[in-house]
Amino acid sequence: SQQGEEDPQALSIQEGENATMNCSYKTSINNLQWYRQNSGRGLVHLILIRSNEREKHSGRLRVTLDTSKKSSSLLITASRAADTASYFCATGSSNTGKLIFGQGTTLQVKP
Amino acid sequence: DTAVSQTPKYLVTQMGNDKSIKCEQNLGHDTMYWYKQDSKKFLKIMFSYNNKELIINETVPNRFSPKSPDKAHLNLHINSLELGDSAVYFCASSQRDLYGYTFGSGTRLTVV
Repeated sequence: SQQGEEDPQALSIQEGENATMNCSYKTSINNLQWYRQNSGRGLVHLILIRSNEREKHSGRLRVTLDTSKKSSSLLITASRAADTASYFCATGSSNTGKLIFGQGTTLQVKP
Repeated sequence: DTAVSQTPKYLVTQMGNDKSIKCEQNLGHDTMYWYKQDSKKFLKIMFSYNNKELIINETVPNRFSPKSPDKAHLNLHINSLELGDSAVYFCASSQRDLYGYTFGSGTRLTVV
């Protein structure tokens, strides 16, 4: 069963703008992860945030987690054309013992 | 020096055939996975092995059989291929359950 719901499904912005993607989930989690997938390629792990953390940064990426609302957001600042890709959230739960992916947000950054 | 490598990258085959996809990781990870990505990019876990032991087996037709000869390899054999099996299959590995996964580049299977 699908755990994460991502919003928006597609996002198109100009280079230099910020991109925000949201993810909601249904059950309790141990951590939430974000992945990027370029067209025709495998997924690349971007960042992991644990259930007891509220915010995490990695370079131009900022991830927040609100366990009370069962939601997370990924912010990419000062976007570049190379950021064009699909972005997936994935939730990890010791109850299920597996990582479950959302349906992804397709981001297009126009030069 | 690829961390998780899958072969082949593309596989076109006729209905009813049997095919295998191979996966190898050189990261020393304990856990390996097979995921299926459909045409809408939805990723669904199929199997997970930890140190050669099957730990996750989702509701997958028994035409799909994973085999892990050692903790660095996880192969996927598919019998009697059907049109609906067409998808991209990803192998992944992680050091421990629920931690960041390293994915292979995928195998695009087309059944005609």
